Amino acid sequence: DAKTTQPPSMDCAEGRAANLPCNHSTISGNEYVYWYRQIHSQGPQYIIHGLKNNETNEMASLIITEDRKSSTLILPHATLRDTAVYYCIVRVGSSNTGKLIFGQGTTLQVKP
Amino acid sequence: NAGVMQNPRHLVRRRGQEARLRCSPMKGHSHVYWYRQLPEEGLKFMVYLQKENIIDESGMPKERFSAEFPKEGPSILRIQQVVRGDSAAYFCASSHAGQGPYEQYFGPGTRLTVT
Repeated sequence: DAKTTQPPSMDCAEGRAANLPCNHSTISGNEYVYWYRQIHSQGPQYIIHGLKNNETNEMASLIITEDRKSSTLILPHATLRDTAVYYCIVRVGSSNTGKLIFGQGTTLQVKP
Repeated sequence: NAGVMQNPRHLVRRRGQEARLRCSPMKGHSHVYWYRQLPEEGLKFMVYLQKENIIDESGMPKERFSAEFPKEGPSILRIQQVVRGDSAAYFCASSHAGQGPYEQYFGPGTRLTVT
């Protein structure tokens, strides 16, 4: 699975959009980008995934660059409850290859 | 649709005792994964199971740890002769067996404290 690079921490004002970047320059053609978050030692929460098209769901949007070497998770209107560690993970999606490899992630602090 | 369930949520064991952690996957999911999070550290994969089969146990310590996912009932992570270094949060995740891309859904975790 390709390696990802994320900034260790970010701040965001409540009500503003939070844009979390992720670099995955060695991503392969059959690898998906997944985003999870962990709120204060709770179980990780699946947010969204994508292959090459931009994706949106009720939680967030995922923007993947055309060359697929980087992506951005967007929380459109951050709230205090979005304060968490956000993980960007790249893995093959077409078969169930098992484990997720969590890096250090980005600690997002949403401030009032 | 109930999520992944884990019990107990908190478990205290003395050194040398056994710890049994249980995980019930989401309805319709037949793949289970166990992860461990040591204090102030990241999540580490331990083992991946399908019903009655261990698929990948590359993250499991070689001794004292075992996992099973029987045909009926929850998945069990068993730690024999616990030591203080086993104190951690243990998370279970599940995914479906159909077409990809197989996002995993996590339970709330079991916090093991070894005294």
